[in-house]
Amino acid sequence: GENVEQHPSTLSVQEGDSAVIKCTYSDSASNYFPWYKQELGKRPQLIIDIRSNVGEKKDQRIAVTLNKTAKHFSLHITETQPEDSAVYFCAATPQGDTGRRALTFGSGTRLQVQP
Amino acid sequence: DSGVTQTPKHLITATGQRVTLRCSPRSGDLSVYWYQQSLDQGLQFLIQYYNGEERAKGNILERFSAQQFPDLHSELNLSSLELGDSALYFCASSVDWALNQPQHFGDGTRLSIL
Repeated sequence: GENVEQHPSTLSVQEGDSAVIKCTYSDSASNYFPWYKQELGKRPQLIIDIRSNVGEKKDQRIAVTLNKTAKHFSLHITETQPEDSAVYFCAATPQGDTGRRALTFGSGTRLQVQP
Repeated sequence: DSGVTQTPKHLITATGQRVTLRCSPRSGDLSVYWYQQSLDQGLQFLIQYYNGEERAKGNILERFSAQQFPDLHSELNLSSLELGDSALYFCASSVDWALNQPQHFGDGTRLSIL
């Protein structure tokens, strides 16, 4: 099955700085890579996603890049604000046995933005 | 508001008991997914239903079962509860069965086993 590794597990930045979170995946056939933000005690919220036919996608201060050859994708947050503080999860969609396929999540990155 | 509704928000029960968690997907979504999130843990996929039929299964325990009804709402049944079952249970929904469609999560049910 798919294996998604996420780094770092914790990240502390100063307000206004940029933050980068990286994920690698194992299944070269994976074709969809969403990112979720989860604030303490709340639901995971989809913030951006990218498909395998695109190398980069941007939405205001958030961008995601995908390198299919290296099987890694990254989340970039610019001009960070205290409200960006949360746990961020990457995910990938494996191919293979239909009955077992599922969105596979990374272990999460706890981002803290210091005012 | 994601449009996915989960009830109840909190559930406190004892070991050995059985509970039912309920999920209503977003309007127009046919696929429902259940996830378990233990304290400081990631999201573990349990099971997916599409238009009433089981579509995919993760590492769901035999003590757990689910179903999706004709009106597309879904229920997750947890029986013979153990202390380790204490967790946040999330439901998500998407338009169809394909995994390359965005999944939108409900607010979750926090299950506490005493």
